[in-house]
Amino acid sequence: DAKTTQPNSMESNEEEPVHLPCNHSTISGTDYIHWYRQLPSQGPEYVIHGLTSNVNNRMASLAIAEDRKSSTLILHRATLRDAAVYYCILDGSGAGSYQLTFGKGTKLSVIP
Amino acid sequence: DVKVTQSSRYLVKRTGEKVFLECVQDMDHENMFWYRQDPGLGLRLIYFSYDVKMKEKGDIPEGYSVSREKKERFSLILESASTNQTSMYLCASSLWETSGRDNEQFFGPGTRLTVL
Repeated sequence: DAKTTQPNSMESNEEEPVHLPCNHSTISGTDYIHWYRQLPSQGPEYVIHGLTSNVNNRMASLAIAEDRKSSTLILHRATLRDAAVYYCILDGSGAGSYQLTFGKGTKLSVIP
Repeated sequence: DVKVTQSSRYLVKRTGEKVFLECVQDMDHENMFWYRQDPGLGLRLIYFSYDVKMKEKGDIPEGYSVSREKKERFSLILESASTNQTSMYLCASSLWETSGRDNEQFFGPGTRLTVL
């Protein structure tokens, strides 16, 4: 399975933008890039995913490098509720099924 | 609101006991998954199922079995619990997508199992 590399931790001030990087230099042409986050004492929750083009949704934006070897999750205005562990994941499953391989993620702290 | 529920948030069992962890989803999803989460190791896939009565081994199936008799329910079974199975167990579900890997997984709140 292709692997991802993320910083162990990051800090952000409340109401400022946050850019969470992810390197995935061995990504294959058909791998989707997924981001999940896990709030304290909860199961992971989906944030966003993409293949080649940048993506936006109500939670975040995903910027994907042209060579697809890296991506960045952008939280436009961090809130205290965004403090969580963020996982960047590449899909390693076959067609029809869907497995996620979680790494250690980036622990985001938000400072009031 | 979509939901994945797990039978217990916290569970304490003794070594050698048979343990059942239940997961139910109300989204009519074909795929269901069991993960365990340990500090420093992240989430690891134990088993998954893509249809009723179907199951596939994940990365760490040893010591576990699963059952999927109904579409909405996926059970994880520890035949003889051991202390190294103390962990957080997370269930998830997703739609079957024949077009590729383009769907999200919905997770339950987790069951923290302690085996004494």
